[in-house]
Amino acid sequence: QLQLQESGPGLVKPSETLSLTCTVSGDSISNSNFYWGWIRQPPGKGLEWIGSIYYVGGTYYNPSLKSRVTISVDTSKNQFSLKLSSVTAADTAVYYCGRRPVWSGYHFDYWGQGILVTVSS
Amino acid sequence: QSALTQPPSASGSPGQSVTISCTGTSSDIGGYNYVSWYQQHPGKAPKLMIYEVNKRPSGVPDRFSGSKSGNTASLTVSGLQAEDEADYYCSSYAGSNTVLFGGGTKLTVL
Repeated sequence: QLQLQESGPGLVKPSETLSLTCTVSGDSISNSNFYWGWIRQPPGKGLEWIGSIYYVGGTYYNPSLKSRVTISVDTSKNQFSLKLSSVTAADTAVYYCGRRPVWSGYHFDYWGQGILVTVSS
Repeated sequence: QSALTQPPSASGSPGQSVTISCTGTSSDIGGYNYVSWYQQHPGKAPKLMIYEVNKRPSGVPDRFSGSKSGNTASLTVSGLQAEDEADYYCSSYAGSNTVLFGGGTKLTVL
């Protein structure tokens, strides 16, 4: 059974860099049939796609966040990571990682449980 | 890119049908058959309910169905049950390998 688990600091100071990791179990992150991605949800608000990555490193980012986002993959650890720089209170959200099939419709079929990241001094 | 537009709330009585709309543009919903819908219960991760406009993942009841006309997609829940009370989000491919979500609709089962 596929499982995704987000991990990282729950509190980040303004202007610093938010760093999260998603650990995949039950499948190889090098499976050529899937992309892996990050989605966030500010408290009480809707979902926002952050970006996606393919195991060989191809990345795609939300244009509104592109200047601050880096997503990378570590196949040896079966993990992929998110870095978001110069954070502000507006970046406070639950951050989810997810799996996206390559050969069909740009949807996420498996999600992690999510991790709340608060930006505050 | 702007978020897709959903009504903030919808409601229906047990056994009834309810339809939730999701409006975009010709650059997202209208341009591709890549609309998906997610169900989210409080404190839980979203769950995929519909993909590619009208396809259901294994395990999703056939009470859930999707459709699209022009720049608007719809999710219909038939035979409403108490456990269907949740937030529902639409999503669409928006070109250049980007994805848009809607603002969400809170479905209340009366």
